[in-house]
Amino acid sequence: GAGVSQTPSNKVTEKGKYVELRCDPISGHTALYWYRQSLGQGPEFLIYFQGTGAADDSGLPNDRFFAVRPEGSVSTLKIQRTERGDSAVYLCASSLDGRDTDTQYFGPGTRLTVL
Amino acid sequence: DQQVKQNSPSLSVQEGRISILNCDYTNSMFDYFLWYKKYPAEGPTFLISISSIKDKNEDGRFTVFLNKSAKHLSLHIVPSQPGDSAVYFCAAISTGTASKLTFGTGTRLQVTL
Repeated sequence: GAGVSQTPSNKVTEKGKYVELRCDPISGHTALYWYRQSLGQGPEFLIYFQGTGAADDSGLPNDRFFAVRPEGSVSTLKIQRTERGDSAVYLCASSLDGRDTDTQYFGPGTRLTVL
Repeated sequence: DQQVKQNSPSLSVQEGRISILNCDYTNSMFDYFLWYKKYPAEGPTFLISISSIKDKNEDGRFTVFLNKSAKHLSLHIVPSQPGDSAVYFCAAISTGTASKLTFGTGTRLQVTL
C-alpha cells in the first residue's frame, strides 16, 4: 500500500556531472508526472508519461533533461552536464489513469544540489 | 509569466478561527482547480478540488469557493487547527488539453494556539 517513492532523497553533485533521479509510482497507476520546485516557488511541470510514452514533455527546460519509463512503471529523470541552476526539489507524482481530474499523488521529492 | 498567483506568502491564524487562503489565475482556459497542502520534507498532498461549473465545494472543515468572473478562488478552513500549519498551494488544470498542474507559489499557514 505504499505511496509514490523517490530515490535518492538527497543528491549533491558537482557542476557538469550527470545525475539520475528515480521514481516508483503507486502500483497500477498508468500516469506519471515529474515536477521541479525551486526555492520559494510552486512545483513546475516537466514531463508527463501515459504508460511508457511521454505524452507531454513541454516542461523540460532544455535538452540536458531527459526522462524514461521503459516498462510503464518506474521512471528515471536524467540530467546531463548539471548546472547550479538545476538545484531544486524534483517531485514525482502518479495518477490512476491520467484523466484531467484524477488526483495526482506526490512523492517526497529528491533534493538536488549542484555545487 | 505566473498564471496562478498566491499573493500572500504567509498567514497566521489563531486556533479555532477561520483561515482564508486566496488564489488568482490569469489563464481563462483553466477549468479545474485544486488545493494541495505540503509539510516540510514531504510531497504535496491533495486537499480539495472544484470544477469551473461549480462555485463552491465543501469537504469537512475545508471549503473552496470559485469566482470565475474574477478569476479568483479561495480556501476556507474552519475551525483552524494546529495540524493545519503547512504550505498551501493552489493549482489549476485546463481539462481536455493537458493534465499537468500549474501551481501558485504557495501560502504558508501558521495556526497558533
